Amino acid sequence: QIQLVQSGPEVKKPGESVKISCKASGYTFTQAGMQWLKQAQGKSLKWMGWINTNTGKTTYAADFTGRFVFSLETSASTAYLQITNLKNEDMATYFCAMGYPDWFAYWGQGTLVTVSS
Amino acid sequence: DIQMTQSPSSLPASLGDRVTITCRASQDIGNYLRWFQQKPGKSPRLMIYGATNLAAGVPSRFSGSRSGSDYSLTISSLESEDMADYYCLQSKESPYTFGAGTKLELK
Repeated sequence: QIQLVQSGPEVKKPGESVKISCKASGYTFTQAGMQWLKQAQGKSLKWMGWINTNTGKTTYAADFTGRFVFSLETSASTAYLQITNLKNEDMATYFCAMGYPDWFAYWGQGTLVTVSS
Repeated sequence: DIQMTQSPSSLPASLGDRVTITCRASQDIGNYLRWFQQKPGKSPRLMIYGATNLAAGVPSRFSGSRSGSDYSLTISSLESEDMADYYCLQSKESPYTFGAGTKLELK
């Protein structure tokens, strides 16, 4: 069955970087896009963008340009989200979710990023 | 960006009740509307796609409908396992945007 398994919780200081992984199984990795979403504690979800796992082309929502990078390790069926120069407002749970063709049908379990000095 | 105005923010209800949650889109999104259920500490679960289509494995007491720019999620007879947060999402235009959420709780 299709599974997206994310890396574990992270605790970082402001200004540091974090890289979250999302390992896919149960399907051909390059045949489905991967999206990233953010959810601050007690808040709604925010769509960050997605990466085409076949071409590597990335699309970022306007609020997530500059410090946010989507990348792939296709041989490992893994997608990554890297956030640089962490700020307090980056503290949230980050989810990966399948893009095309079954948009939002499958989600990772979420990765909590805590930013604290 | 397209704004999704979701109501109510909180919905106290009793088991067996028929409940409806609504989202209004700030511009035309056609049927590019999804509904998600999220329980505490869990990932969102896709419930409805294409405004009216039930996702795989979702009980038939859930349904989605559209009237103009208003989209609704209805649970015909509330069960205890339905207590959760619900979110709508438009995927007509990037950036995709969610409603603020509805907390469904026991009265």
